[in-house]
Amino acid sequence: EAGVAQSPRYKIIEKRQSVAFWCNPISGHATLYWYQQILGQGPKLLIQFQNNGVVDDSQLPKDRFSAERLKGVDSTLKIQPAKLEDSAVYLCASSPDQGWYEQYFGPGTRLTVT
Amino acid sequence: EDQVTQSPEALRLQEGESSSLNCSYTVSGLRGLFWYRQDPGKGPEFLFTLYSAGEEKEKERLKATLTKKESFLHITAPKPEDSATYLCAVQALGNSGYALNFGKGTSLLVTP
Repeated sequence: EAGVAQSPRYKIIEKRQSVAFWCNPISGHATLYWYQQILGQGPKLLIQFQNNGVVDDSQLPKDRFSAERLKGVDSTLKIQPAKLEDSAVYLCASSPDQGWYEQYFGPGTRLTVT
Repeated sequence: EDQVTQSPEALRLQEGESSSLNCSYTVSGLRGLFWYRQDPGKGPEFLFTLYSAGEEKEKERLKATLTKKESFLHITAPKPEDSATYLCAVQALGNSGYALNFGKGTSLLVTP
């Protein structure tokens, strides 16, 4: 079974530029999460989708971050404009349903903002 | 507010030297406690879920245990390939979603 796919794997941009990350969850998984992992820290949830609806985006900096999951499958996370403190690894995870506790993570996208 | 604290931050072991990693947590109600392994440049890899105090789970050289306030990840006779960062996370009852609240992790190095 294929795992969670993410692209790109690495991205370097200058501050105030925009960037987008893509995630393809495990086939059939209804729930999709985006986490931010700053170096030396554990992952922190940004947003959770159930199918194509948002369940929790309380920690998403909505003035600069946006995310969508249009057909309940793939998802994109966008940052516009980027700040230096956005440098981190952005992890996508999925689980079969909200009631399914285990989450399976992709390899992440490492973002460097200069 | 939910809190997860892992100790030690870093641990260096000789091959075959058993030890334990600690995860202390504060949560209003625990739905589950999770252990993940993370290798450099990779996403976290699921290891265990524990749901109630007294529960134990094992996988190869790893054994996870849970009390009402903390969880331990015991590593028996570790090998160099066990070197990784081990993350603990809690999932709380009553949350609108099922977000995992992670600790900062314990970085484990096992030397030959």
